[in-house]
Amino acid sequence: GAGVSQSPSNKVTEKGKDVELRCDPISGHTALYWYRQSLGQGLEFLIYFQGNSAPDKSGLPSDRFSAERTGGSVSTLTIQRTQQEDSAVYLCASSPGTVNYGYTFGSGTRLTVV
Amino acid sequence: AQKITQTQPGMFVQEKEAVTLDCTYDTSDQSYGLFWYKQPSSGEMIFLIYQGSYDEQNATEGRYSLNFQKARKSANLVISASQLGDSAMYFCAMRENPGSARQLTFGSGTQLTVLP
Repeated sequence: GAGVSQSPSNKVTEKGKDVELRCDPISGHTALYWYRQSLGQGLEFLIYFQGNSAPDKSGLPSDRFSAERTGGSVSTLTIQRTQQEDSAVYLCASSPGTVNYGYTFGSGTRLTVV
Repeated sequence: AQKITQTQPGMFVQEKEAVTLDCTYDTSDQSYGLFWYKQPSSGEMIFLIYQGSYDEQNATEGRYSLNFQKARKSANLVISASQLGDSAMYFCAMRENPGSARQLTFGSGTQLTVLP
């Protein structure tokens, strides 16, 4: 697609429920990243995928968080047993994977846990 | 330890004036890349400018320039002739060992307000 697409744009869920957030990167971009941005804060790295390599999961805050990327394209971030502190904007970005290239970000999913 | 430090939580500038947003970084890598992003109130992240650690000249993109001082480990963003539309949050970011697609590390951001 022309840009990075994220869905849903907004999600309100009850504490304890599971949620899935979707990211559709730019076609041909081999690298895909998930970040979290809490209100008024900077971006916290969660996980990244590069081609067929094993993902770098070093930023995932707990084992309630997981992500997968199917067919080297679409990615899903899953949060199990959501907590109120999970409320944030979840941003996805993709990159051609080349040296000097910045990311193209999606517009994010605003998650609110009530 | 903080890898990217932005010491100005908020900045004000008069329209048409220039403004400098500070960024210092910490890395032991010799090869790294520095980025600036703009985040308007709508929330999208917009890539502004890139500086490689081995680039001999400071990067420029239109009204944006990066004042890169390698020895001081600083990569300040200069916006010339500020416009009202420049009001946004600005993030400095770094990628170490840029010969890979490793993730960017972001600073905490500077909220810039351009006054009419």
